[in-house]
Amino acid sequence: SQTIHQWPATLVQPVGSPLSLECTVEGTSNPNLYWYRQAAGRGLQLLFYSVGIGQISSEVPQNLSASRPQDRQFILSSKKLLLSDSGFYLCACRQDNTGELFFGEGSRLTVL
Amino acid sequence: EDQVTQSPEALRLQEGESSSLNCSYTVSGLRGLFWYRQDPGKGPEFLFTLYSAGEEKEKERLKATLTKKESFLHITAPKPEDSATYLCAVQAYSGAGSYQLTFGKGTKLSVIP
Repeated sequence: SQTIHQWPATLVQPVGSPLSLECTVEGTSNPNLYWYRQAAGRGLQLLFYSVGIGQISSEVPQNLSASRPQDRQFILSSKKLLLSDSGFYLCACRQDNTGELFFGEGSRLTVL
Repeated sequence: EDQVTQSPEALRLQEGESSSLNCSYTVSGLRGLFWYRQDPGKGPEFLFTLYSAGEEKEKERLKATLTKKESFLHITAPKPEDSATYLCAVQAYSGAGSYQLTFGKGTKLSVIP
């Protein structure tokens, strides 16, 4: 089964600074990968998904971008963080035959 | 627009006191309904997938059921270690050959010894 690694686990950044969150997957090839954000009192919000290298679909317009430079690497970025970007960011991998998503341990971002 | 509503938002149970969590949904073309458990500061952990009305799945003290409009997660004789937030999600076709999950806000379960 696949294993999903996310880092950093915790990040505190000032408003206007850049961001890079990384996700790597082990134990599978050509996975569908997802970035979700979980804010307090809200459900998981899908931000981006990718079906392959260089293929990114954005679900909501926002201050963030995503890239997939390698088959099992998915990166979430921002050039200038906003206070509203604070939240818990989760990377997920889709199980092909069942549609289930498996999640990493998450990255907690606090923008001050 | 696909919608998933979970109730109650929070639930406190005494150890051994059985109860149910509800997940109601409106979606076009349901492909699957998923239950996850999430501990504080952790990513969601997959529990069950249900695909059609009438289906049931069990795991230890948990049993998930599905109707055409809602799903229930029954917890029998819960223990303190069952304390967590339980998330429900539905998967539906979202166009261009893709299927996405829509999540509810979750039910925070606390089991008191």
